[in-house]
Amino acid sequence: AQKITQTQPGMFVQEKEAVTLDCTYDTSDPSYGLFWYKQPSSGEMIFLIYQGSYDQQNATEGRYSLNFQKARKSANLVISASQLGDSAMYFCAMSANFNKFYFGSGTKLNVKP
Amino acid sequence: GAVVSQHPSRVICKSGTSVKIECRSLDFQATTMFWYRQFPKQSLMLMATSNEGSKATYEQGVEKDKFLINHASLTLSTLTVTSAHPEDSSFYICSVQRNTEAFFGQGTRLTVV
Repeated sequence: AQKITQTQPGMFVQEKEAVTLDCTYDTSDPSYGLFWYKQPSSGEMIFLIYQGSYDQQNATEGRYSLNFQKARKSANLVISASQLGDSAMYFCAMSANFNKFYFGSGTKLNVKP
Repeated sequence: GAVVSQHPSRVICKSGTSVKIECRSLDFQATTMFWYRQFPKQSLMLMATSNEGSKATYEQGVEKDKFLINHASLTLSTLTVTSAHPEDSSFYICSVQRNTEAFFGQGTRLTVV
């Protein structure tokens, strides 16, 4: 069984500062992918970043980076230089063998001006 | 451009009626599509896996007779909420997976009155 845990229901960050959103996971599958999605109030799911279980290096996509610690089963999202438009819900997700996705409970990020 | 198109984006229906939601893969043929449900301020929960040309696979606790899924072609899956009740009001979203990426539709906000 797959399980994704996000322990931060809500986070505040000052504009232009960095913020880390936590995510831990549990799976018995040796091959899996970890994803982060942003969901604004409109409801659409916006892909941010992907990390494969066999990837040696942490993934980065612009201002987003994923702090992947395989032994600890954590995949935290780091957003650098926060912008007001980053205010949204953020979901961590896992897909074993690139099949269906399992999502965490989400973190609501508020960026303060 | 969009890879997955979901229609309608919003629907209001009377209790007891049925509602059909369409999910189209625009750029590639998808033998598998996924349907999720998201209650307000909650995470996405996988409802079922739609398989082209065969029966859908439902997650535990999801009533297959209530949520009818048809995947008649490689580009179209439909979810029909039969005899809808107010407790079925939710945000329904489909996704298609291609390699390591998942593409989500825009979502359908269903309100049953």
